[in-house]
Amino acid sequence: KAGVTQTPRYLIKTRGQQVTLSCSPISGHRSVSWYQQTPGQGLQFLFEYFSETQRNKGNFPGRFSGRQFSNSRSEMNVSTLELGDSALYLCASNGDSTNTGELFFGEGSRLTVL
Amino acid sequence: GEDVEQSLFLSVREGDSSVINCTYTDSSSTYLYWYKQEPGAGLQLLTYIFSNMDMKQDQRLTVLLNKKDKHLSLRIADTQTGDSAIYFCAESMLSSASKIIFGSGTRLSIRP
Repeated sequence: KAGVTQTPRYLIKTRGQQVTLSCSPISGHRSVSWYQQTPGQGLQFLFEYFSETQRNKGNFPGRFSGRQFSNSRSEMNVSTLELGDSALYLCASNGDSTNTGELFFGEGSRLTVL
Repeated sequence: GEDVEQSLFLSVREGDSSVINCTYTDSSSTYLYWYKQEPGAGLQLLTYIFSNMDMKQDQRLTVLLNKKDKHLSLRIADTQTGDSAIYFCAESMLSSASKIIFGSGTRLSIRP
């Protein structure tokens, strides 16, 4: 069974640009969560999608948005990039079948904003 | 509120036990987790404990939960160089089980 796949793995953008990151969950998983990982803040919860609907949202500005498609693939978008948006963006999927909340993480997309 | 706190670093000698501590603030937590992140990789679930338990053992791993003090610990027996990683404590809330909050992670380094 393939794991969670995130693309691109690395990207460099400049301030003011926008970026779209993609996540393909484990086959059969309908929940996808996004996290921002930085050295200073650790893992910060961005949002979670289930069956194309946003179920939970963290405390990030409206520049951060996401969506989920009918095949459970998810994208997140960051507009008007700031230097502080440089981070590792992690996606995780959850099968919900055991109700334990176990998350399966991808390797992340490392965004550098110059 | 939602907050999970951990110390940032821990250094232990190979063969000794490692104990990583975590405190959380949400008393309605349902599950508490320990995840491991190796360099260049995503996080991987090590173990979890349901909030009505106070201890769980899984091979070299022992999880202790003190619900009164909102304190969670992970003990790794006979620590090996392969245990070098960042360990994250996390909790899921009763109010929103699919929203899992992570601590900042504890970097475990092993001395020969």
